[in-house]
Amino acid sequence: NAGVTQTPKFRVLKTGQSMTLLCAQDMNHEYMYWYRQDPGMGLRLIHYSVGEGTTAKGEVPDGYNVSRLKKQNFLLGLESAAPSQTSVYFCASRFGGVAKNIQYFGAGTRLSVL
Amino acid sequence: GENVEQHPSTLSVQEGDSAVIKCTYSDSASNYFPWYKQELGKGPQLIIDIRSNVGEKKDQRIAVTLNKTAKHFSLHITETQPEDSAVYFCAASAYSGAGSYQLTFGKGTKLSVIP
Repeated sequence: NAGVTQTPKFRVLKTGQSMTLLCAQDMNHEYMYWYRQDPGMGLRLIHYSVGEGTTAKGEVPDGYNVSRLKKQNFLLGLESAAPSQTSVYFCASRFGGVAKNIQYFGAGTRLSVL
Repeated sequence: GENVEQHPSTLSVQEGDSAVIKCTYSDSASNYFPWYKQELGKGPQLIIDIRSNVGEKKDQRIAVTLNKTAKHFSLHITETQPEDSAVYFCAASAYSGAGSYQLTFGKGTKLSVIP
């Protein structure tokens, strides 16, 4: 039972390069989220999805795109990386509805943009 | 939108002492308040949560209290141990439309337990 798996774990990019971060969950969760974590800033929501084929913007969406083509996967894309996107990125998932709001997190992807 | 303030940002305690972390929230519609623990190099992990219809919840050495009127909630860790050293995040959740419940996180408290 893997839970939430993020790949890659580490990545270094040059300014202007693109990349995709992959999040996969095996818990049949409806909702999935992408956060970024910066020192002293806590966790800030980038984009989220409430089901397969749906996405929505969070608090800090600029410079990122997402896709949820399959229920178990949530992709985060950076089309033209900037140094301001240097951060640790976390994916999370949860069941839908009110009853269980618990979000389960992956181990994170540490991204450096030079 | 929701705003969550968390204090203190760092906290050092002697092993065996208690630790208290406090959070305030702004949206009176928030109804779910989880606490996450993040160890170095790992993702956040839920340690305890409380819903707005409950004032206090305990789980062994940890407890959370909620004051809806004052819009604040607190995490209490008793008999602290070195393995409690980590960053702790509070969060508040409210319905944000289109079937979405979002968590707004505090900025975190780095707890150090000194042996």
